[in-house]
Amino acid sequence: ETGVTQSPTHLIKTRGQQVTLRCSSQSGHNTVSWYQQALGQGPQFIFQYYREEENGRGNFPPRFSGLQFPNYSSELNVNALELDDSALYLCASSLEGDANQPQHFGDGTRLSIL
Amino acid sequence: QKEVEQDPGPLSVPEGAIVSLNCTYSNSAFQYFMWYRQYSRKGPELLMYTYSSGNKEDGRFTAQVDKSSKYISLFIRDSQPSDSATYLCAMSINKFYFGSGTKLNVKP
Repeated sequence: ETGVTQSPTHLIKTRGQQVTLRCSSQSGHNTVSWYQQALGQGPQFIFQYYREEENGRGNFPPRFSGLQFPNYSSELNVNALELDDSALYLCASSLEGDANQPQHFGDGTRLSIL
Repeated sequence: QKEVEQDPGPLSVPEGAIVSLNCTYSNSAFQYFMWYRQYSRKGPELLMYTYSSGNKEDGRFTAQVDKSSKYISLFIRDSQPSDSATYLCAMSINKFYFGSGTKLNVKP
């Protein structure tokens, strides 16, 4: 069974730039959620994708956007990067668009904004 | 007020001790409760998943949910140095809410 994989592992950007993070879901999972984890904090829900559509969103501005592809992989895009966007970005996959199903996480992309 | 409150620790115990980790929450609508373990530079790993009130046991781990008190606990018996990690509680009602994590250190 293949787990959740994320790329890249680390990324350094400057303020105002744009970034794309990628995620492949665990085999058999068709739902992907993205989280932001600041240092010393728990993950915060950004949004969830199910059947290539956004299926719920947390309190993040529109410059955070996403995509899900037919193979269930997903991208997180962040425009106009700010210093506060520095964090670990986690992708999690689960079953059938049920927002209450347990989330299975990848190891994240650590994004640093200079 | 945060949806989920968790003592950040750190909590330091000797090997073999019983560890108790706790979270409180404010939203009585939460129905699903989880505990995750996160090692440094890794993603969270699901330990326990429970629905509504009651206890659930899995090996050395026991999860308790008391919905009347809005309080959940994770007990670790016979703690090992390999249990040293950050423990995150989480609960959901159409989306997940995480605590800030408790850092546990089990000393050999």
